[in-house]
Amino acid sequence: QKEVEQNSGPLSVPEGAIASLNCTYSDRGSQSFFWYRQYSGKSPELIMFIYSNGDKEDGRFTAQLNKASQYVSLLIRDSQPSDSATYLCAVNRGGNQFYFGTGTSLTVIP
Amino acid sequence: GAVVSQHPSWVICKSGTSVKIECRSLDFQATTMFWYRQFPKQSLMLMATSNEGSKATYEQGVEKDKFLINHASLTLSTLTVTSAHPEDSSFYICSARTTRGYTFGSGTRLTVV
Repeated sequence: QKEVEQNSGPLSVPEGAIASLNCTYSDRGSQSFFWYRQYSGKSPELIMFIYSNGDKEDGRFTAQLNKASQYVSLLIRDSQPSDSATYLCAVNRGGNQFYFGTGTSLTVIP
Repeated sequence: GAVVSQHPSWVICKSGTSVKIECRSLDFQATTMFWYRQFPKQSLMLMATSNEGSKATYEQGVEKDKFLINHASLTLSTLTVTSAHPEDSSFYICSARTTRGYTFGSGTRLTVV
């Protein structure tokens, strides 16, 4: 079983819609969870991170964490064509080690 | 703040030569830097953890004699791909821990011909 699993997509949503990206992780001891956006040929850039169960909102982005279900999601409201990218979920189990999912490709259709 | 500068952005080299990639933390001190490799349409794979003033820690399956890591100061870590071969062609990215989590360098696209 992979440490972090994501649906590779591609996920397509119309402009202005809500995009929902999902991620599951295998280690119940995981402590912190990160969402990164990666444009083709570029390095990942941090969108947001979450440590506690529940929702965390930052502008158009909302991260949701459910530790009991080992599930973390990212919602993008009012999706824009510029949001088209690959979204990487990363999990930290404490210490310095990160585990990345393979990413979900999102396309926002104008 | 918390910028990691990575150079070069891309490099093409001949098979058998060595390539050095540099990562600098510009406005903070990074006692630890991480080196990742990413093949097309795949996830980032941690290669090694670089610690200032000590030997790097390599992940299983990564050849430490091939991927030389040096972390000589609190702001500079280098990865040298020695005797590069076409299968080493990949996107190499460094990362450092900051107060906001982990920030990445801009990446280096290595093509070995």
